[in-house]
Amino acid sequence: KAGVTQTPRYLIKTRGQQVTLSCSPISGHRSVSWYQQTPGQGLQFLFEYFSETQRNKGNFPGRFSGRQFSNSRSEMNVSTLELGDSALYLCASSLAETANEKLFFGSGTQLSVL
Amino acid sequence: GESVGLHLPTLSVQEGDNSIINCAYSNSASDYFIWYKQESGKGPQFIIDIRSNMDKRQGQRVTVLLNKTVKHLSLQIAATQPGDSAVYFCAENSGGSNYKLTFGKGTLLTVNP
Repeated sequence: KAGVTQTPRYLIKTRGQQVTLSCSPISGHRSVSWYQQTPGQGLQFLFEYFSETQRNKGNFPGRFSGRQFSNSRSEMNVSTLELGDSALYLCASSLAETANEKLFFGSGTQLSVL
Repeated sequence: GESVGLHLPTLSVQEGDNSIINCAYSNSASDYFIWYKQESGKGPQFIIDIRSNMDKRQGQRVTVLLNKTVKHLSLQIAATQPGDSAVYFCAENSGGSNYKLTFGKGTLLTVNP
């Protein structure tokens, strides 16, 4: 069974631009979560979607948004990029209809903002 | 508030030794815990999980211990191998309608041949 697929793998943008990252979950998984990983803050929760509905959102500004499609694939968007948005963005999927289920992560998209 | 912290940021062991990675959590409502391994350039990889109604769970070469009294979690790796070198994260979920994991900062495990 294929794992979680994230595209692109690397991305370089400049301040003020916007970016869209894509995630394809494991087949059959209906929950998709997004995390930001930085050396200083570690892994920080962005948001979680299940059946196209956002069920939970982390403490990030409104510039960070996401959505989930009917095939469970998800995208996240960051508008008006700032230098501090440089990070590894990780997508994870799970079967989860309940909260306590293991997440399976993709390899991430490394975003560099110049 | 919720937080998960690690006692040791780095751990260096000899190949073949047993490794113990510790984690403290502060949210007494947390009822589900996971350990992840992250190698350079990769996403976190699931190792083992445990629910709060258990105090010990074993997998292949790994054991997770949960002490709810002192809010402490540990990961034991038996016969550590060079391939075990990675950053290890503990994570907690407080359940209910909280569909997110709160991660610790991570411990870097280095296995010396």
